[in-house]
Amino acid sequence: EVQLVESGGGLVQPGGSLRLSCAASGFTFSSYWMSWVRQAPGKGLEWVANIKQDGSEKYYVDSVKGRFTISRDNAKNSLYLQMNSLRAEDTAVYYCARGQTPWIPDAFDIWGQGTMVTVSS
Amino acid sequence: DIVMTQSPDSLAVSLGERATINCKSSQSVLYSSNNKNYLAWYQQKPGQPPKLLIYWASTRESGVPDRFSGSGSGTDFTLTISSLQAEDVAVYYCQQYYSTPLFTFGPGTKVDIK
Repeated sequence: EVQLVESGGGLVQPGGSLRLSCAASGFTFSSYWMSWVRQAPGKGLEWVANIKQDGSEKYYVDSVKGRFTISRDNAKNSLYLQMNSLRAEDTAVYYCARGQTPWIPDAFDIWGQGTMVTVSS
Repeated sequence: DIVMTQSPDSLAVSLGERATINCKSSQSVLYSSNNKNYLAWYQQKPGQPPKLLIYWASTRESGVPDRFSGSGSGTDFTLTISSLQAEDVAVYYCQQYYSTPLFTFGPGTKVDIK
């Protein structure tokens, strides 16, 4: 079964750090672009970052540039999001998602269940 | 940046009736080289992750009921549910991937039963 499982969310103080993980299974992880998408409580979806198959290209939404870092370990079939200098507005459910077509960054066909990040003192 | 807008914000439709959701992009998402519109639709039910319904503006994802259809080109798109079922109650989002690898979603449209 094709599956993505996120972990690492929790409560963190403003200015703190958190590292999210996403474990992939059931497909050739190393062939796909992967993304993080977040959803603040009661709000819509916001694409956060993505990474090419080999990790050589990474892209971010402006609001997280310089604070968040996306990475992957293809040997472990895992995607990561290192979040530093966290702000209250980063509070959201964070989903990892797979690009639909191997080698191409396109629509997201597989999503994890999400992990909640709460930034509060 | 490509900005996506959706209308209406919410709608209530009787069971078996048609639901129509509109999505507009601030610039064309049609690639002339392959004549494809880089536009997807997602369905999100409460407490669940989003689910891909439609890609390339009009291609149904495998397993999606044929009562869901997508249409449009350039900057104006429509998601139609031809005969609303109870299980279709959800929020629907459009997304552009024309500016790939950068993406943007619309604000969402909530669909309820009247």
